[in-house]
Amino acid sequence: NAGVMQNPRHLVRRRGQEARLRCSPMKGHSHVYWYRQLPEEGLKFMVYLQKENIIDESGMPKERFSAEFPKEGPSILRIQQVVRGDSAAYFCASSADRGANEKLFFGSGTQLSVL
Amino acid sequence: AQKITQTQPGMFVQEKEAVTLDCTYDTSDQSYGLFWYKQPSSGEMIFLIYQGSYDEQNATEGRYSLNFQKARKSANLVISASQLGDSAMYFCAMREAFGNEKLTFGTGTRLTIIP
Repeated sequence: NAGVMQNPRHLVRRRGQEARLRCSPMKGHSHVYWYRQLPEEGLKFMVYLQKENIIDESGMPKERFSAEFPKEGPSILRIQQVVRGDSAAYFCASSADRGANEKLFFGSGTQLSVL
Repeated sequence: AQKITQTQPGMFVQEKEAVTLDCTYDTSDQSYGLFWYKQPSSGEMIFLIYQGSYDEQNATEGRYSLNFQKARKSANLVISASQLGDSAMYFCAMREAFGNEKLTFGTGTRLTIIP
């Protein structure tokens, strides 16, 4: 039973390029969450999606960042025109349902480096 | 106000000793969940243990136990018989009820086990 799969594991982009980060949730999970972690800091919530719907995007920067979770295929976090400050580890998590008692399981993360 | 507070930025513990990592939380919800995650130097986020707000007994998972004191709003992680492989960052997190399900993380505690 595969866990949460994220790819790529490492992504290098030059300033101004686009970054696309992929997340396949655990089998049977339809709720996906994206988090960002800066060096030596905790994880900061970005966005919560359920199939084809954005439930909570209160942590997403207003510009350049977008996320989707289509009916078929992985969830995608897209960062347009990347800047050096976007360099961070981006984690995806999934859960089977909503509610306070639902466990979130994380992928191994994508380390984005912007040159 | 911080929702999750971890007051120990770093701890050094002798191998085979027990260690307690502190976590206090702040919520007005009656239904919430508390989680601990381990992040080794390789970067992945590993789920350790979960405690629901309505659970009457403290959660245990192998060498991990959660000392849940609801009135004090604390959810300390206890690791018994520490091992060298326990050296990592440890994050406490909370998930609240419907409409606010994003997992909120503390700033973490870096645990180093000394041989």
